[in-house]
Amino acid sequence: DAKTTQPPSMDCAEGRAANLPCNHSTISGNEYVYWYRQIHSQGPQYIIHGLKNNETNEMASLIITEDRKSSTLILPHATLRDTAVYYCIALANAGGTSYGKLTFGQGTILTVHP
Amino acid sequence: DTGVSQDPRHKITKRGQNVTFRCDPISEHNRLYWYRQTLGQGPEFLTYFQNEAQLEKSRLLSDRFSAERPKGSFSTLEIQRTEQGDSAMYLCASSNHRVPFFGPGTRLTVL
Repeated sequence: DAKTTQPPSMDCAEGRAANLPCNHSTISGNEYVYWYRQIHSQGPQYIIHGLKNNETNEMASLIITEDRKSSTLILPHATLRDTAVYYCIALANAGGTSYGKLTFGQGTILTVHP
Repeated sequence: DTGVSQDPRHKITKRGQNVTFRCDPISEHNRLYWYRQTLGQGPEFLTYFQNEAQLEKSRLLSDRFSAERPKGSFSTLEIQRTEQGDSAMYLCASSNHRVPFFGPGTRLTVL
């Protein structure tokens, strides 16, 4: 699976949009971009994933560049409860012959402040 | 709640003792994974089951570690002769095809 690079930390004001970048310049055509977050002492929580089209769900939006070498996770209205470590992971199609083994990096520590 | 559950949530043991953790995946998820997470690090893959078959084991899984999923439903992870370096959060995840979902984890402290 392709290596991903994220900034170690970011700050965001409560109520503002949080934009978390991720570089995955060596991503291959069958690799999806997955985002998880982990709040202190809890298990990782799935947020969203996408292949090449932008995706949106009730938690966040995922914007993937046309060349697929980078992506941005957007939390549209950050709250204090969004303070967490956010992980961007490239993963080959978890169906078929791949089986969904996630390789976590260090992630981005997002701190939302009042 | 129909998410992944893990038991116990916390375990404190003395060095040299054996411990066993249980994971109950989301119903009908045929894939089950174990991860380990130490302080300040991201989770690291330990092993993977598809139904009852253990298909991959990480080099992190020393011979003191054994995992089972006897009926393709719940799984157990046993650590024999625990060492202080085994202190970590042990995470279980399950999936059907595309999205692995994680449980709350079992925090192990070896004294």
